[in-house]
Amino acid sequence: AQTVTQSQPEMSVQEAETVTLSCTYDTSESDYYLFWYKQPPSRQMILVIRQEAYKQQNATENRFSVNFQKAAKSFSLKISDSQLGDAAMYFCAYSSSGTYKYIFGTGTRLKVLA
Amino acid sequence: DAGVIQSPRHEVTEMGQEVTLRCKPISGHNSLFWYRQTMMRGLELLIYFNNNVPIDDSGMPEDRFSAKMPNASFSTLKIQPSEPRDSAVYFCASSFAGGIWTEAFFGQGTRLTVV
Repeated sequence: AQTVTQSQPEMSVQEAETVTLSCTYDTSESDYYLFWYKQPPSRQMILVIRQEAYKQQNATENRFSVNFQKAAKSFSLKISDSQLGDAAMYFCAYSSSGTYKYIFGTGTRLKVLA
Repeated sequence: DAGVIQSPRHEVTEMGQEVTLRCKPISGHNSLFWYRQTMMRGLELLIYFNNNVPIDDSGMPEDRFSAKMPNASFSTLKIQPSEPRDSAVYFCASSFAGGIWTEAFFGQGTRLTVV
């Protein structure tokens, strides 16, 4: 069975600084997708970034980028120029083309300090 | 599209009562998921449907929980009888699984409180 592990329950970053959130996963499949979701206090789940496993190039969305290490099964999220609005729970998620279901990690709460 | 729509947003019920949560997925999506979120257990996948057919219900905690998807635009999650430990936020999500993969889009969740 696939698993997703986020080992950092909580992280803090100073406004305008850079922070990296860690995620590892376990799977025997070769075709899959990885995602980072953000959940602010409103509890709405918002997609931040996605990565297809077959792509070697790391995905980037404005201030958000990932470091995808397929062999190590690692998928970290880097947030540059952190803003107060980035404060939220961040969830790493895995989905495979074989099962279609999405498996989530336990989340990392990010605090942004002014 | 208005996104995934869940109702109600909040539900407070007494132990032993039946609770029904509703979900309208995004039009054109063929996969639908029910998740439960608690502080202790995080986001747990309860059940998911593909083309209205339940594919994996191994996350459903017990027989008190049941889910249906009678058509592509509607799903329900029912708890009967409800218990205080069922208190959680329940999310519905939908996606398109196929040649062009999409991420899961979430509704705003239903906060269920069983007293």
